[in-house]
Amino acid sequence: GQSLEQPSEVTAVEGAIVQINCTYQTSGFYGLSWYQQHDGGAPTFLSYNALDGLEETGRFSSFLSRSDSYGYLLLQELQMKDSASYFCAVRDPGATNKLIFGTGTLLAVQP
Amino acid sequence: ETGVTQTPRHLVMGMTNKKSLKCEQHLGHNAMYWYKQSAKKPLELMFVYNFKEQTENNSVPSRFSPECPNSSHLFLHLHTLQPEDSALYLCASSQDGPSYEQYFGPGTRLTVT
Repeated sequence: GQSLEQPSEVTAVEGAIVQINCTYQTSGFYGLSWYQQHDGGAPTFLSYNALDGLEETGRFSSFLSRSDSYGYLLLQELQMKDSASYFCAVRDPGATNKLIFGTGTLLAVQP
Repeated sequence: ETGVTQTPRHLVMGMTNKKSLKCEQHLGHNAMYWYKQSAKKPLELMFVYNFKEQTENNSVPSRFSPECPNSSHLFLHLHTLQPEDSALYLCASSQDGPSYEQYFGPGTRLTVT
C-alpha cells in the first residue's frame, strides 16, 4: 500500500524559517505534491517535485530525495497568514487520477 | 477563488433525508473528484470522473451516489446517511492525465443528525 507521514503540528514565529517533512512509502513513484489549506478553506496547490532537488517559488521551496523517499516544504520569512495545514501527496501508481494525501501538518505562526 | 464552486456550503440532515451536493468547475478541466475530509484524517478520495466517466470508486458505501452529467458539473446524492458520515466534502478538478495539481472547491460541511 501507499502511505505518507508528516508531523502533526509545527510552531514557529513570524519572520522565521520552518521546514515541514514528508516521508512516503509507495510501490511506484511519480512525484510529490504539496497543498495548503487554511482553516475552513479549500486546499490549494503549492508545488510539485518529480525529480530530486529543490524547487523554489517565492518564499516557499520544496525539496525531494527519491532515494530517501523523503521530501520537505520550506517556508521562509514566515507571515501570520501562513498559519494553515500543509499536506503532501503522491500519485497512486495504479491510478492516473488518484492522489494519496498525508495526514497534514498544522503550522501555527506566532507573533 | 479557485474556479470550483460548491453548494451548499453547510448542510444539516437527518438520517432518513435525501439531499444532493453540487459542484461546478469553470476551468475547462476534464477530471472531477469527490473527497471526504474528517478531523485528524487524511483527505479520502471517494470518486473520480474523467471525461464524464467514473474511473474510480474508492469502496464508497452505496448511500453515496455520484453523478456527472458533463465535464463541468458533479453531484453527490446522499440518502440514509449515518452520523459518522459527518465531514467536509470537497470537490476538485484537474486536467486529464496525471493530476498532481488539483483545484479544490470550498467544500460542503455536512452534519448528519
